[in-house]
Amino acid sequence: QSALTQPPSASGSPGQSVTISCTATSSDVGNYNYVSWYQQYPGKTPKLIIYEVNKRPSGVPDRFSGSKSGNTASLTVSGLQGEDEADYYCSSDRGNTVVFGGGTRLTVL
Amino acid sequence: QVHLVESGGGVVQPGRSLRLSCAASGFTFSAYGMHWVRQAPGKGLEWVAVIWSDGSNKYYADSVKGRFTISRDNSKDTVYLQMNSLRAEDTAVYYCTRDASGRKFDYWGQGTLVTVSP
Repeated sequence: QSALTQPPSASGSPGQSVTISCTATSSDVGNYNYVSWYQQYPGKTPKLIIYEVNKRPSGVPDRFSGSKSGNTASLTVSGLQGEDEADYYCSSDRGNTVVFGGGTRLTVL
Repeated sequence: QVHLVESGGGVVQPGRSLRLSCAASGFTFSAYGMHWVRQAPGKGLEWVAVIWSDGSNKYYADSVKGRFTISRDNSKDTVYLQMNSLRAEDTAVYYCTRDASGRKFDYWGQGTLVTVSP
């Protein structure tokens, strides 16, 4: 059982915004400031899209944004595009280890 | 540019061992912690192990503790994962990834598939 809970699925129409949540269910999930988000297409390698809650690596569109409130981190994808259809995973430090959320399949309708 | 190339995967019987390697290039390998992350077929990502940049500390997921050992050779820019007493549930694609501080995995290898089957 993951210490980070994500909804299994999310969806939205092109141009809309979608938010995916990531809730820490364990009190020992580090300081939860090292929350990252990864995008993964089927059969492909995960790609870092958000780190330290709300920072974007260079090259990641600003349509992707991250935030955190209490024990819940969120990834928001604005202006949905067909290419955003993928699996999204959150992760966080957990002391000396790392934990991933179960993943969310984002469908663009 | 940064490259991580895993090797060593394959089909192995339950209870046997396998050693994965991850060769790094394009960056100062000895300055970065390295992790192994796995993904079972059709499932999500699961963190496996970490080794600090100088090899001084290693930590493992509970699911592999006592069976897997992570190590590195900074003279060869390579990180390893020794997997013993393999189980069917260890079947997965194993990725090595670089920790660019703050537990952010900025580069990933292409993965190597390990299948544990009789």
